[in-house]
Amino acid sequence: EPEVTQTPSHQVTQMGQEVILRCVPISNHLYFYWYRQILGQKVEFLVSFYNNEISEKSEIFDDQFSVERPDGSNFTLKIRSTKLEDSAMYFCASRIQGQYGYTFGSGTRLTVV
Amino acid sequence: QKEVEQDPGPLSVPEGAIVSLNCTYSNSAFQYFMWYRQYSRKGPELLMYTYSSGNKEDGRFTAQVDKSSKYISLFIRDSQPSDSATYLCAMSLVNQAGTALIFGKGTTLSVSS
Repeated sequence: EPEVTQTPSHQVTQMGQEVILRCVPISNHLYFYWYRQILGQKVEFLVSFYNNEISEKSEIFDDQFSVERPDGSNFTLKIRSTKLEDSAMYFCASRIQGQYGYTFGSGTRLTVV
Repeated sequence: QKEVEQDPGPLSVPEGAIVSLNCTYSNSAFQYFMWYRQYSRKGPELLMYTYSSGNKEDGRFTAQVDKSSKYISLFIRDSQPSDSATYLCAMSLVNQAGTALIFGKGTTLSVSS
């Protein structure tokens, strides 16, 4: 069964450093998303991406965050200057056109120290 | 007022029991309703996906949506120990933007053999 692949599975970074989280969505999916889940809290929407541009973003997705689809297969989330409160599981998801159930990746656990 | 409310549990049942999981929501514009299963430190896995009101059945799982009451349910028949996980409800609007999912906090289910 096709999967959304995320790397790395766990990243530890120092406060103020830049991190890039990587995702390979399912190949025929056209809509891409990043969500995060702080330990013990809800899964929260960050951003959606379609046709090589951001289509929607939440209040969490401020100027410190950016997304990119650099080569037609990868989909990345960059955090420019990490804060302690950015520590969370970050999930990439994708979906096919016409259906609204997403497929999620296994996530990247980001720990900011 | 929180958009999606879900009792976090934990809910403990014996093997073979019928399980009922529920969410309420406040935004009457939600049109797509989903249930995801999440194992510890894994990404959400789509179980059921329904549009508007009504019932949908898939094997041991039945999803119900009552838009007039703003209430959705997931029933699990003949529950198995492998069903032990956190169950997340999620819902979305439909618009030209990203169809971001709004999640409940999740209900932790434990099925004992």
